[in-house]
Amino acid sequence: AAGVIQSPRHLIKEKRETATLKCYPIPRHDTVYWYQQGPGQDPQFLISFYEKMQSDKGSIPDRFSAQQFSDYHSELNMSSLELGDSALYFCASSLSVPETQYFGPGTRLLVL
Amino acid sequence: AQTVTQSQPEMSVQEAETVTLSCTYDTSESDYYLFWYKQPPSRQMILVIRQEAYKQQNATENRFSVNFQKAAKSFSLKISDSQLGDAAMYFCALYSKGGSEKLVFGKGTKLTVNP
Repeated sequence: AAGVIQSPRHLIKEKRETATLKCYPIPRHDTVYWYQQGPGQDPQFLISFYEKMQSDKGSIPDRFSAQQFSDYHSELNMSSLELGDSALYFCASSLSVPETQYFGPGTRLLVL
Repeated sequence: AQTVTQSQPEMSVQEAETVTLSCTYDTSESDYYLFWYKQPPSRQMILVIRQEAYKQQNATENRFSVNFQKAAKSFSLKISDSQLGDAAMYFCALYSKGGSEKLVFGKGTKLTVNP
């Protein structure tokens, strides 16, 4: 079965640089979620989209923005990167709320 | 506010034995869902099992089953016939309908399976 696809899988950036993370949900899934998992931490919700509209917002820094496109894929844009942004970023998708959220493999971001 | 508490940071079990991971939660919503996710060393988040709060019957998925005690707000995961591949971090998660769409996770329990 098709799963959530995230790219890139690994990313290394310098402080103050910009990063873009991409997420391709499971086919027919209309809701996308972004989570951040720091080392040794549980995942923390950042933001979600339903039918291309932002549906909920969590602890997402103002330096980050995201959107969902007409083909339902989503991108998380991160600017002015800080060392503390180093984490594993998960995208999850579901077939409408509150169906089960299925997670992608994550993007490991390292900020140097 | 929604909270999820996993009181066992680490657990270990012998291969082929049974282990139970504990989880308690709190939510003011009456309609909610509970999940267990497994995160192996690859750090992929894998859904193990799901329980709808309105269902009295405990969910089961092969060797995995839950003990859902709604009044006590308890949601434990039982793994039977443990296998080496079960070694992972296990996260209990709560989704409350009517509130935020986010999953709220516990801090996780690291399960070691000894051969």
